[in-house]
Amino acid sequence: DTAVSQTPKYLVTQMGNDKSIKCEQNLGHDTMYWYKQDSKKFLKIMFSYNNKELIINETVPNRFSPKSPDKAHLNLHINSLELGDSAVYFCASSHTSGRALTGEQYFGPGTRLTVT
Amino acid sequence: DQQVKQNSPSLSVQEGRISILNCDYTNSMFDYFLWYKKYPAEGPTFLISISSIKDKNEDGRFTVFLNKSAKHLSLHIVPSQPGDSAVYFCAAVFSGSARQLTFGSGTQLTVLP
Repeated sequence: DTAVSQTPKYLVTQMGNDKSIKCEQNLGHDTMYWYKQDSKKFLKIMFSYNNKELIINETVPNRFSPKSPDKAHLNLHINSLELGDSAVYFCASSHTSGRALTGEQYFGPGTRLTVT
Repeated sequence: DQQVKQNSPSLSVQEGRISILNCDYTNSMFDYFLWYKKYPAEGPTFLISISSIKDKNEDGRFTVFLNKSAKHLSLHIVPSQPGDSAVYFCAAVFSGSARQLTFGSGTQLTVLP
């Protein structure tokens, strides 16, 4: 059973389109994250939700909007896609107690987004 | 501004020998450090961590060393195995950051049979 799953795994789309990436975790965690891995391979936090409340919102274009319908899901909507949005996007989750306070997060397999 | 740096993009070692992966950081407020391992087409998986109040943490073949004065940590893998071949990311967090991880750029480890 997959702990953190993302769909789709690959997404190829044209500039200007709107797309969504879905994330689900079955670990019972109450905090979820979105990361972007750019061409230089850095993993950078984009958003974090705790109990459906936004707690981290790094400097990302407002074309990116996270949506958390419940604690097990955190979807990422991207409007008006640009070439520079091409990257691998990772979803992650953690508990807000115990070891999770120290950063242990569980990652999904990633979604490779290619904007043409 | 890279607060966590992994200056070696790649490292090759022979099977059975020691692998040493290095990481430097600049933010003295970090109080916990982690290593993640990543295989191609998969997400990073947690490997080992260390609190800033310690200088060593060991888990099987993996040991992490922390030198706070030098703002440096390292991951030792002994003995190295071909299955250890992966990208290793160093990450840091401070408790006031709502569990925000700051990652390095990763080091590709290749263990040669």
